[in-house]
Amino acid sequence: AQRVTQPEKLLSVFKGAPVELKCNYSYSGSPELFWYVQYSRQRLQLLLRHISRESIKGFTADLNKGETSFHLKKPFAQEEDSAMYYCALSGGRGATNKLIFGTGTLLAVQP
Amino acid sequence: DAGVIQSPRHEVTEMGQEVTLRCKPISGHNSLFWYRQTMMRGLELLIYFNNNVPIDDSGMPEDRFSAKMPNASFSTLKIQPSEPRDSAVYFCASSLDRGPNQPQHFGDGTRLSIL
Repeated sequence: AQRVTQPEKLLSVFKGAPVELKCNYSYSGSPELFWYVQYSRQRLQLLLRHISRESIKGFTADLNKGETSFHLKKPFAQEEDSAMYYCALSGGRGATNKLIFGTGTLLAVQP
Repeated sequence: DAGVIQSPRHEVTEMGQEVTLRCKPISGHNSLFWYRQTMMRGLELLIYFNNNVPIDDSGMPEDRFSAKMPNASFSTLKIQPSEPRDSAVYFCASSLDRGPNQPQHFGDGTRLSIL
């Protein structure tokens, strides 16, 4: 079964500390993985996708097929990074845009 | 582009009443998704359409829930009769189905409270 697991509901760090938001998935095929972010009073929006191998707002995520993980990392957290982060998996032949979301992790960056 | 537009932003109603949520996708997008967000379960896909046709409604919780997409620019999610456990934020999203890795664009959501 396709599943996305985000084990932490809340992650609290101090400004300047490293951040790692965990995401594990189960999928029988070649996964396409995304991180979406929802800032306070804003819409849920795409942060980054694994296929692009990009760094957005200092965040990176590497797909590790051996560990079936797609953790989101940032070396130095900023207060404006405080938000809800969702890991998502795109799967299913013929359903290329269907996303399965994890339950989300609330990142709180303390001053 | 105003993005995905949802209405109403907030809805408070008594249990047993019919609730209709509305969504206008981004012009030109041919895939539309309805999600429900709760604290306990996060974001759950309820149903999605491709070219106005429902493709997967396996996430629709019960027969009380129904969704339609009469044309490319409008969709509704209806709950009848509503129950307190339906209280959640309901999101609509759209995307352009040109293959994998196409991002979904979300609306602001409708916060539904059933008393």
